[in-house]
Amino acid sequence: SQQGEEDPQALSIQEGENATMNCSYKTSINNLQWYRQNSGRGLVHLILIRSNEREKHSGRLRVTLDTSKKSSSLLITASRAADTASYFCATDRSWIQGAQKLVFGQGTRLTINP
Amino acid sequence: KAGVTQTPRYLIKTRGQQVTLSCSPISGHRSVSWYQQTPGQGLQFLFEYFSETQRNKGNFPGRFSGRQFSNSRSEMNVSTLELGDSALYLCASTLTGAENTQYFGPGTRLTVL
Repeated sequence: SQQGEEDPQALSIQEGENATMNCSYKTSINNLQWYRQNSGRGLVHLILIRSNEREKHSGRLRVTLDTSKKSSSLLITASRAADTASYFCATDRSWIQGAQKLVFGQGTRLTINP
Repeated sequence: KAGVTQTPRYLIKTRGQQVTLSCSPISGHRSVSWYQQTPGQGLQFLFEYFSETQRNKGNFPGRFSGRQFSNSRSEMNVSTLELGDSALYLCASTLTGAENTQYFGPGTRLTVL
């Protein structure tokens, strides 16, 4: 079963607006990562937030993590048409088995309208 | 550095056949993971290889197998293909100790007829 659940499943906004996506997960994590996927292509790593961090920024991206609520959010400010893509959160619980394994959510499909 | 490469990019097979997909990780990356992506199930972890050993495995039937070579290149094999195996198969490589940040290839689109 999926560890992460993204919300909403789809989001459509106007160019220049901010986009917020949420991710909830079920068990303790090592870190949480966000990835972007353009249609039918491979995923691109956007940002990683460790379990002991609460907020992180990278350019127009802002990620928050609330481990007490087991949730994270990704904010994209001043959206552009090129931000149209699917966004996935992925939780890393690699410390459990000593092996590397990311568990991905179902993703949020973001559409930026010109 | 060159990114993760996957071959072939597109593949069409019929039920009952077998298929082998190839993945070349980023130079210096010793961990390679495979994922299956379908519209219904999303991204599902298949397995991870590190130093030619399978280190972790997802919940897939034994028809799905893989291996890793000494140069870290990896292959995955699916035998006795079923219609439900139609998917985008993604390979990702990781630099050891880099907090499991994964670098994905473009994927192989497999269609089973």
